[in-house]
Formats: sequence, structure tokens, C-alpha cells
Amino acid sequence: DAKTTQPPSMDCAEGRAANLPCNHSTISGNEYVYWYRQIHSQGPQYIIHGLKNNESNEMASLIITEDRKSSTLILPHATLRDTAVYYCRSGGTSYGKLTFGQGTILTVHP
Amino acid sequence: GAGVSQSPSNKVTEKGKDVELRCDPISGHTALYWYRQSLGQGLEFLIYFQGNSAPDKSGLPSDRFSAERTGGSVSTLTIQRTQQEDSAVYLCASSPEGNYGYTFGSGTRLTVV
Repeated sequence: DAKTTQPPSMDCAEGRAANLPCNHSTISGNEYVYWYRQIHSQGPQYIIHGLKNNESNEMASLIITEDRKSSTLILPHATLRDTAVYYCRSGGTSYGKLTFGQGTILTVHP
Repeated sequence: GAGVSQSPSNKVTEKGKDVELRCDPISGHTALYWYRQSLGQGLEFLIYFQGNSAPDKSGLPSDRFSAERTGGSVSTLTIQRTQQEDSAVYLCASSPEGNYGYTFGSGTRLTVV
């Protein structure tokens, strides 16, 4: 897995978009970018993943730069329940051990 | 079941005792992982099982830790002669072979006193 770098913490107002950055400058051509989040006392939850194109699902959107060295997870209308640690990681789609960095603590406030 | 099930959810044990933690993966998922998370820390990989292949034990911190997976399904993580530094949340995850959709359980909170 390529090394990823994320800011340790971010704040966001409820109802606003939360934009969470991730740097993965050493990502290789066949590695995907994955995002997970961990709400206090729960196991990590898969959010979204992508290779080159921007992706979107019911939870979030993922914007990957053209050079694939960084990406941004967007929660379009953050709620208090989105307060969590967000992990970005990169890797292949085949099986293998997952490695996670320290993540970003997102705090959504009223 | 619909998700990854771990038991017990909480375990308090005395230093020096052995403990067993159980993980029931999602039916049909061939890959199973164990991680641990100490208070305020990130996820630390412990061991990984994939089908009938030899497990990847590279993350086990000492020979007091071992894990097995019987019949390609249920897994048990055993910690012998527990130490206070073993206190953490132990998380299990499973995934279908070759799929990115890893699903984590809610973890077992182990406290060694």
C-alpha cells in the first residue's frame, strides 16, 4: 500500500460540505484509493473507493486529481452523526492486509 | 448473520491469564483479518487469513498471540499470559476474495488489570 497523509483534525458546520483531503503521492498505477470511517466505539465502515475517475454514492463523493497524487472525500451536507475518524488508504483490489494511517478526526458542530 | 460478529464485546481479565476472542465472518467471505486499536491510536494489523493459504502472521506482536480459523469460517484470536499493554479493542474484518468491500465487526474491548 502507498503511504497516505491526512490532516489530524478538521471541523465542519452542520449542513455544510465537509472536504477531507488525502495525499498519496507514491500511489502506483493499479492502486485504488479507499475511504473508511470509524465512529466512536464502532468498527471502521467502508465509504467509497476509486481509481482515476471521480466517484459518488449515497454516502459521499470522491474527487481524485488527474495525477492521482491526492484525493478529497466530500460529505455534501454534513450531519452531527458524521463526526468520526476518516481513514484514507490506497491499495489493490485483490486480497491482502489493509494498512491504515492515523486518519482525520472530523468534528461536525451545530 | 448480516454482518461480522465478534464476541465477547467486552472482556476484563487479570494479568497473566489467557483469553480467547471470537470472530464470525460474513458467510462466504474467504478473507478474514484481525486488527487491534489501542486507546487513541490507529489500527494495527495482526493477522490475515485467505482461503486455504497459510495465514499472514506478520503483525502478531509476540509469540503470546496466536489465531486460527476453523473450516474457513470462524476465527479465534488467543492471547496467552496477558499483559496490561494488551489492553485494546480487537477488531475483526472479512471480505469476499478479491473484493474491496471489507466489513468490520464492532470489536472486543479487552482490559487487562
